[in-house]
Amino acid sequence: AQSVAQPEDQVNVAEGNPLTVKCTYSVSGNPYLFWYVQYPNRGLQFLLKYITGDNLVKGSYGFEAEFNKSQTSFHLKKPSALVSDSALYFCAVRYGQNFVFGPGTRLSVLP
Amino acid sequence: ETGVTQTPRHLVMGMTNKKSLKCEQHLGHNAMYWYKQSAKKPLELMFVYNFKEQTENNSVPSRFSPECPNSSHLFLHLHTLQPEDSALYLCASSQRTSGSPEQYFGPGTRLTVT
Repeated sequence: AQSVAQPEDQVNVAEGNPLTVKCTYSVSGNPYLFWYVQYPNRGLQFLLKYITGDNLVKGSYGFEAEFNKSQTSFHLKKPSALVSDSALYFCAVRYGQNFVFGPGTRLSVLP
Repeated sequence: ETGVTQTPRHLVMGMTNKKSLKCEQHLGHNAMYWYKQSAKKPLELMFVYNFKEQTENNSVPSRFSPECPNSSHLFLHLHTLQPEDSALYLCASSQRTSGSPEQYFGPGTRLTVT
């Protein structure tokens, strides 16, 4: 069965420091992987995706993610965090037309 | 968020009421989804429609009834809801092609059942 894990409920980081939000997945076949961000009382916003090719993918707002097939991970990263990055982040995997989302990680960037 | 719109944004209803949530996508996608997001719980997939045909129903109670008249519109009809149905209901759409496999979400409808 397809599944996505985000091992941290909460990540705190100081503004200007690098941030990492972790994601591991379990899926049969080649995965389509995604990161989404959600601000309070809003829908999920697409940040970036991995389909194939380069293991480092770049997305919106300076975010990037690294696909590691051997570790079945797809960690979200940003070199320098902003206070405005504080939000709920979801990792997701697609199989067919369906999507499985992780439980979410709340990122707090402290000024 | 203008690619997928949802109305109303907020809804308060009693347990005996009947109401409907509406979703419209302007992206030319052919798959649409309803999700339920409750506080401190993972995102729950409720229904999936591909080319107007329902392909997924994740054991959703019959008090939730989806309707997809065409590939751009999706409704969720609500009747005799329970207080535990209070949540943020999110609509999403996606395309079948592998080049753009991501989903796009609407802003959600915040539903409160009293």
